Amino acid sequence: DIQMTQSPSSLSASVGDRVSITCRASQGISNYLAWYQQKPGKAPKLLIYAASTLQSGAPSRFSGSGSGTDFTLTISSLQPEDVATYYCQKYNSAPWTFGQGTKVEIK
Amino acid sequence: EVQLLESGGGLVQPGGSLRLSCAASGFTFSSYAMSWVRQAPGKGLEWVSTFSVGSTSTYYADSVKGRFTISRDISKNTLYLQMNSLRVEDTAVYYCAKKATTQYGNYFDYWGQGTLVTVSS
Repeated sequence: DIQMTQSPSSLSASVGDRVSITCRASQGISNYLAWYQQKPGKAPKLLIYAASTLQSGAPSRFSGSGSGTDFTLTISSLQPEDVATYYCQKYNSAPWTFGQGTKVEIK
Repeated sequence: EVQLLESGGGLVQPGGSLRLSCAASGFTFSSYAMSWVRQAPGKGLEWVSTFSVGSTSTYYADSVKGRFTISRDISKNTLYLQMNSLRVEDTAVYYCAKKATTQYGNYFDYWGQGTLVTVSS
């Protein structure tokens, strides 16, 4: 099975900072990669699909890039409401594996 | 508006059984694949099972294969997860999620609020 590895596992940044999270697949998955945001005590929410397509309603400060095995989620200007844990997920085929998550906090 | 409402969680002893339900509305339930994803306390997301549409195939994570069964009732717009031989490590919040059907693939576009399953003696 393909493994998904995120880094870092957590980060702390200041409001307005540019923040990047990486996700690496153990084998190529083309662009079948989604990013989800999970705020404390809430259900996950789709943020980006097809590696770089922003879900309707998601803020434009979020962007995704990558293809094959290496992917990046970027927050261009971190806001207080972005405090959450972010997960990548491969969805090209079963099993639909998630990364272990990256917790984003405000410094 | 798409809505997914899970129910059926609770406290059960190891070795026991529980059936989760996910009532769906706001979309044509029969046309979309549906999945269950769980999250143990303080841990990350773990895909559990998927009910596909085209071939009505079912898929399971190795950790639940042979113990859990996913099914659906189109007449009731409801997805189920029958969980047997429950273990302490099955303790988690269980989410149901709708899978998109697009040219970009089948990601999980809507999620329910989750239901907590606690396996403990």
